[in-house]
Amino acid sequence: AQKITQTQPGMFVQEKEAVTLDCTYDTSDPSYGLFWYKQPSSGEMIFLIYQGSYDQQNATEGRYSLNFQKARKSANLVISASQLGDSAMYFCAMREPSTGNQFYFGTGTSLTVIP
Amino acid sequence: DADVTQTPRNRITKTGKRIMLECSQTKGHDRMYWYRQDPGLGLRLIYYSFDVKDINKGEISDGYSVSRQAQAKFSLSLESAIPNQTALYFCATSDSDGRDTQYFGPGTRLTVL
Repeated sequence: AQKITQTQPGMFVQEKEAVTLDCTYDTSDPSYGLFWYKQPSSGEMIFLIYQGSYDQQNATEGRYSLNFQKARKSANLVISASQLGDSAMYFCAMREPSTGNQFYFGTGTSLTVIP
Repeated sequence: DADVTQTPRNRITKTGKRIMLECSQTKGHDRMYWYRQDPGLGLRLIYYSFDVKDINKGEISDGYSVSRQAQAKFSLSLESAIPNQTALYFCATSDSDGRDTQYFGPGTRLTVL
């Protein structure tokens, strides 16, 4: 079974609008970490936001927020007020202690911001 | 200067050749990782090291080996390269702070002909 599932291969959003990128995960560990990364066309991987499994509040970092629904095993990324520079691939990832703290990445979502 | 550097940035080689990809970091992190990225498959972990004497296999270690020469240096070797090892390779580091946030190098694009 996939540890991380991103079901949206591609998304489009109008500039200045908000967009939600979906991520579901699969683990039986009680403690784990969830991450989102951005990969622009230049290829580098940029850390965006982190959510711990025991965190009570949804994580926020500037225009990025993580909609964490633990019972649904869902960790969706919300980008508010989209900008042209947000066009990129976005990857959800999970750190799983029971497998030696290995990281598992989803297959990514390609986001295009339309002017 | 970049915190995580990878050399070379691009490499084209032939089937059967031995290849070494190098990674250095100035972040002072104990943990280092090697990933490969293939189109449509995301990133997959090859090997990881939590300190100089600790090396662990990841999800797809077959055909690869690693060496942790120092806290700041972690090399990935392909002993006999094959075409399906053509990919983008990333080195990453993390601090042992509980989160293990991965900080990535710029990547090495490897083509095996």
